[in-house]
Amino acid sequence: GAGVSQSPRYKVAKRGQDVALRCDPISGHVSLFWYQQALGQGPEFLTYFQNEAQLDKSGLPSDRFFAERPEGSVSTLKIQRTQQEDSAVYLCASSPLNALNQPQHFGDGTRLSIL
Amino acid sequence: DAKTTQPTSMDCAEGRAANLPCNHSTISGNEYVYWYRQIHSQGPQYIIHGLKNNETNEMASLIITEDRKSSTLILPHATLRDTAVYYCIVRAPRTGNQFYFGTGTSLTVIP
Repeated sequence: GAGVSQSPRYKVAKRGQDVALRCDPISGHVSLFWYQQALGQGPEFLTYFQNEAQLDKSGLPSDRFFAERPEGSVSTLKIQRTQQEDSAVYLCASSPLNALNQPQHFGDGTRLSIL
Repeated sequence: DAKTTQPTSMDCAEGRAANLPCNHSTISGNEYVYWYRQIHSQGPQYIIHGLKNNETNEMASLIITEDRKSSTLILPHATLRDTAVYYCIVRAPRTGNQFYFGTGTSLTVIP
């Protein structure tokens, strides 16, 4: 079956531009998560959705970062006025529920480079 | 967040068992231990998880000590394709059930 799909795989933008990153979770998965992974580091939690509700956005680094999941399936992570420190791999994960004993399944990420 | 401690790197000979240790001395009774791995340019891949009993699946075995303060991930017959960064994570309700990855253990399987 299809896993978590992210697009684009690579994105290059100039500093100050806005970018939008897309995540297609596994069909039927209620919970969706975004992570940011800097070079040489482990992924860091950004935000979490249950269906269309954004229940936790404690990891978003600034108000330039915005995520949405309007119909409870596909999600978009938007970064406004990009800065060089935003360069990272952005990972999306999904799971049937955000339960302690249910693993999250990850996509291969979008590698964002800000010039 | 619940802290874990892992060695930075390890080597293992191809065909031998790879034993990856993890310390999680502050774990609480209802918190799960998860293992993921990440191969270069791919997203993290789920391996296994457990609460207090040892677990085994087609990929690996997870051995959790009786006091739950440490665990070991065992890859029984390591192959070159097992070369990856392995993350040990304690998943806790007090942190919203979210995953907090550390820097993991970089495992290199040597031919």
